[in-house]
Amino acid sequence: NAGVTQTPKFQVLKTGQSMTLQCAQDMNHNSMYWYRQDPGMGLRLIYYSASEGTTDKGEVPNGYNVSRLNKREFSLRLESAAPSQTSVYFCASSGLYEQYFGPGTRLTVT
Amino acid sequence: GQQLNQSPQSMFIQEGEDVSMNCTSSSIFNTWLWYKQEPGEGPVLLIALYKAGELTSNGRLTAQFGITRKDSFLNISASIPSDVGIYFCAGRTQGGSEKLVFGKGTKLTVNP
Repeated sequence: NAGVTQTPKFQVLKTGQSMTLQCAQDMNHNSMYWYRQDPGMGLRLIYYSASEGTTDKGEVPNGYNVSRLNKREFSLRLESAAPSQTSVYFCASSGLYEQYFGPGTRLTVT
Repeated sequence: GQQLNQSPQSMFIQEGEDVSMNCTSSSIFNTWLWYKQEPGEGPVLLIALYKAGELTSNGRLTAQFGITRKDSFLNISASIPSDVGIYFCAGRTQGGSEKLVFGKGTKLTVNP
């Protein structure tokens, strides 16, 4: 039982490049989330998916897109990376009450 | 938007001391969660609280769901060096929202 897994663990992009961050959970949770974490800003919600087939914007959605591929997988795409998107990205999944986080992807955009 | 005020922002303590931190809000929550995050890792769920007044322990950690439903407390007894990290509170509001509201974290340093 791996919980929430994320790939890649580290990534360096040049400005304007695109990439997709992958996330999968094996806890049969309906809800999945993408957060970014920056020094002094705490965890900020980018997008979430309350169930398979639905996605909604969070606090900081600009510059990102998401896909809820199936119940297990929720991907985050940066279409044209910018230096302001340098951050640590966390995926999470939630059952009724508790939310569990993945190990994070550390992204640097130069 | 809703905010959680978490305090203190940081703590520097000696090994063996007890630690207390808390989160407060102007909103009512129906779930409180406490997480620990170590450098380079994702937040790990420590304790979940579901009812006002609930007191729950996990080893040396004890957390309480405030009676007013607007606050929660985390205590760590007899701290050890591996307690170092950032502790976050998170709350889920009434109405069954899928989204959590997070505190900004308490950074704990334990001197051996």
